[in-house]
Amino acid sequence: EDKVVQSPLSLVVHEGDTVTLNCSYEVTNFRSLLWYKQEKKAPTFLFMLTSSGIEKKSGRLSSILDKKELFSILNITATQTGDSAVYLCAVGSNAGNNRKLIWGLGTSLGVNP
Amino acid sequence: NAGVTQTPKFRILKIGQSMTLQCAQDMNHNYMYWYRQDPGMGLKLIYYSVGAGITDKGEVPNGYNVSRSTTEDFPLRLELAAPSQTSVYFCASSKPSATDTQYFGPGTRLTVL
Repeated sequence: EDKVVQSPLSLVVHEGDTVTLNCSYEVTNFRSLLWYKQEKKAPTFLFMLTSSGIEKKSGRLSSILDKKELFSILNITATQTGDSAVYLCAVGSNAGNNRKLIWGLGTSLGVNP
Repeated sequence: NAGVTQTPKFRILKIGQSMTLQCAQDMNHNYMYWYRQDPGMGLKLIYYSVGAGITDKGEVPNGYNVSRSTTEDFPLRLELAAPSQTSVYFCASSKPSATDTQYFGPGTRLTVL
């Protein structure tokens, strides 16, 4: 069965800290891996990764994919209170119903001032 | 552009009542999706549509129906509400060329008592 596992489930850090969020997957016919940020309302898109070893970067956030070891990490440097959110990882598969994304449960990040 | 809009924001239903959750997008996206999000359970796909007149079941379609008469609108119908349908419902859309990059509406929080 396809699955996406995120760790940790939750963590709390102080402003200025650097955090690393993990996403591992077992998915048939991998297509893509996506990171979303959810702040109380709708998930908003952060990154899509399809190739191993190529870092995607946006400001203080960056992400990389390892298709051999089947995981991705999301790094946030110099965290701010506005980074407090649930970070969701999803994986697209080309097997069967190919419109489906398999979603992880998310990592809840709290950033204290 | 308003993006993806959903109405209502909140609703309380009694067991056995029916209602329609509205979803509209103004990005001319062909693909539209309905998810439900339960605490600790992640996002689950209910139904999706690849264009006007074409819909298909997702992972958890029982108890729901959809229709897609226009590109813009994708309503979700609950015919006989049950407490198990208490959840937050998200509508999302994407372009055919980038189906994994989904744009979400603000959600509808539904409680069935």
